[in-house]
Amino acid sequence: EAGVAQSPRYKIIEKRQSVAFWCNPISGHATLYWYQQILGQGPKLLIQFQNNGVVDDSQLPKDRFSAERLKGVDSTLKIQPAKLEDSAVYLCASRTGTGRWEEQFFGPGTRLTVL
Amino acid sequence: QKEVEQNSGPLSVPEGAIASLNCTYSDRVSQSFFWYRQYSGKSPELIMSIYSNGDKEDGRFTAQLNKASQYVSLLIRDSQPSDSATYLCAVNGGSARQLTFGSGTQLTVLP
Repeated sequence: EAGVAQSPRYKIIEKRQSVAFWCNPISGHATLYWYQQILGQGPKLLIQFQNNGVVDDSQLPKDRFSAERLKGVDSTLKIQPAKLEDSAVYLCASRTGTGRWEEQFFGPGTRLTVL
Repeated sequence: QKEVEQNSGPLSVPEGAIASLNCTYSDRVSQSFFWYRQYSGKSPELIMSIYSNGDKEDGRFTAQLNKASQYVSLLIRDSQPSDSATYLCAVNGGSARQLTFGSGTQLTVLP
């Protein structure tokens, strides 16, 4: 079974530029998460999708971050404009549904450096 | 604000020793608890999950949960250098089934 795919793996941009990350979850997984992991910290949830609907985006800085999951499969996370503090690893994770016992599977992440 | 606190580390143990990692959480309605291992530059991988009070053993790993004390721990017996990683405690509660992560404890097992 293929895992969660993410691209690009690395991205370096200047502040105030825009950037987009892509995630392809495990086939059949209805729930998709985007996390931000700053160096030395645990992952912090940015947004949760159930199929193509948003379940929770309360921690997404909506003035600069946006995310979509068209057709309930792939997802894109965008930052526009980027700030220095956005330097982090952006992790995508998926699970089959919202069952209590289900494991989240993480992708390899995209490491973003904002200069 | 749901919080998950872990001993900040770093933690160093000699090869063959028991490593003990601790975690406390603030949300009393939390229902499921996970330990993830994260090697440097890699994504988190699940190593243990626990849902009921008591101990759960899987090979060299034992997870312990005490809901009354809002405390969960991970013991690694016969620690190996390959266990050197950051261990993340994650707590799942509420209807949305979201994980709240601690900041992680960096473990180094010395040969």
